[in-house]
Amino acid sequence: QQQVKQSPQSLIVQKGGIPIINCAYENTAFDYFPWYQQFPGKGPALLIAIRPDVSEKKEGRFTISFNKSAKQFSLHIMDSQPGDSATYFCAASKYGNQFYFGTGTSLTVIP
Amino acid sequence: DAGVTQSPTHLIKTRGQQVTLRCSPKSGHDTVSWYQQALGQGPQFIFQYYEEEERQRGNFPDRFSGHQFPNYSSELNVNALLLGDSALYLCASSWRGGAGEQFFGPGTRLTVL
Repeated sequence: QQQVKQSPQSLIVQKGGIPIINCAYENTAFDYFPWYQQFPGKGPALLIAIRPDVSEKKEGRFTISFNKSAKQFSLHIMDSQPGDSATYFCAASKYGNQFYFGTGTSLTVIP
Repeated sequence: DAGVTQSPTHLIKTRGQQVTLRCSPKSGHDTVSWYQQALGQGPQFIFQYYEEEERQRGNFPDRFSGHQFPNYSSELNVNALLLGDSALYLCASSWRGGAGEQFFGPGTRLTVL
């Protein structure tokens, strides 16, 4: 059973647009929800993370929205740039143990 | 701070062989987790080491084994390689007393022929 479901699989936006990537989770014991950015041939890089006691967190152009009752969270990228073109993964974990990753979203930002 | 380092970068093996991958965690981190990432997929958890012991294990066969050394570095061993073991193997480090962040290394690309 997929613990974390991610959508869409791919996304194309114009420069300056606001791509939104969504994730849903099953296990209510999860207490840490990070987003990672991965470029081809590289390891995932931590972008931003949230805990279930807050509904939104912003870091630079990246924002996580969290809906505990719906068991959903999403990543918004403000003023997207071509350099943001990458694959984005959401994840969830309990007490900092194993991470359960979504299947990834390939983002393309067109100049 | 060098971050998480992994070696080698690439590796080509044939079916049935054995392979050892190495990871040095980020400075100050004491916990190492290993993940397998198949092409076009999200990372899948293999196991986690803390205090030189395997603390958690994902749904991987016993052909996958590991070790953590007193300096917190770690090895991943895979025996009797199968074609399906071809993947990017990622090491992530964290601090047990921290907020749960895991930082990933660049990975080792394993190709099994």
